[in-house]
Amino acid sequence: AQSVTQLDSQVPVFEEAPVELRCNYSSSVSVYLFWYVQYPNQGLQLLLKYLSGSTLVKGINGFEAEFNKSQTSFHLRKPSVHISDTAEYFCAVTSNQAGTALIFGKGTTLSVSS
Amino acid sequence: DTGVSQNPRHKITKRGQNVTFRCDPISEHNRLYWYRQTLGQGPEFLTYFQNEAQLEKSRLLSDRFSAERPKGSFSTLEIQRTEQGDSAMYLCASSYSLGGTGISGANVLTFGAGSRLTVL
Repeated sequence: AQSVTQLDSQVPVFEEAPVELRCNYSSSVSVYLFWYVQYPNQGLQLLLKYLSGSTLVKGINGFEAEFNKSQTSFHLRKPSVHISDTAEYFCAVTSNQAGTALIFGKGTTLSVSS
Repeated sequence: DTGVSQNPRHKITKRGQNVTFRCDPISEHNRLYWYRQTLGQGPEFLTYFQNEAQLEKSRLLSDRFSAERPKGSFSTLEIQRTEQGDSAMYLCASSYSLGGTGISGANVLTFGAGSRLTVL
């Protein structure tokens, strides 16, 4: 079974500052990792995913994440945030076994202020 | 491709009543998932279908919950005898699977906007 821990429930940051949202996972098999974003009153939107290959993955809106197998982490980063990045961010994990449910963390609220 | 559609978007009901939510997935997607999201929590897996077959159910899916996907297209999630603890956002997602193990589109879910249930 897999599990996900998002280490920060809330991250306040000023506009144009860098940000890192932390995610650690637990799994006994190879994993696929995702970050989803949920804007207020909207559905979950895929930001980026790691399936295989390069451990640094780039997503939409200037976000990127790095898969670190030894530290079982998949932290999300952005070098300069905007007010419009204010949202809830969810890290999720599944395995390479077909049909395994996507398991989400509890989410991190990113609040960007001017 | 109109995305994943869920109806109704918001349902308010009294405790003990039955409610039904509908999900229309992306037309070419053969897998359909139901999740529940409560305030301050991430989405929690409830169940999923491949075509019309229900392949996995979470322990969160009590006997009062039933999901169907009769023709492998849209799906319904019914909650009988609702309780206040059922108040949540019910999310539907879909994906395409080539079948078998390994990397596939099965692992990239597209979510709908959700159906919010309020039980009074």
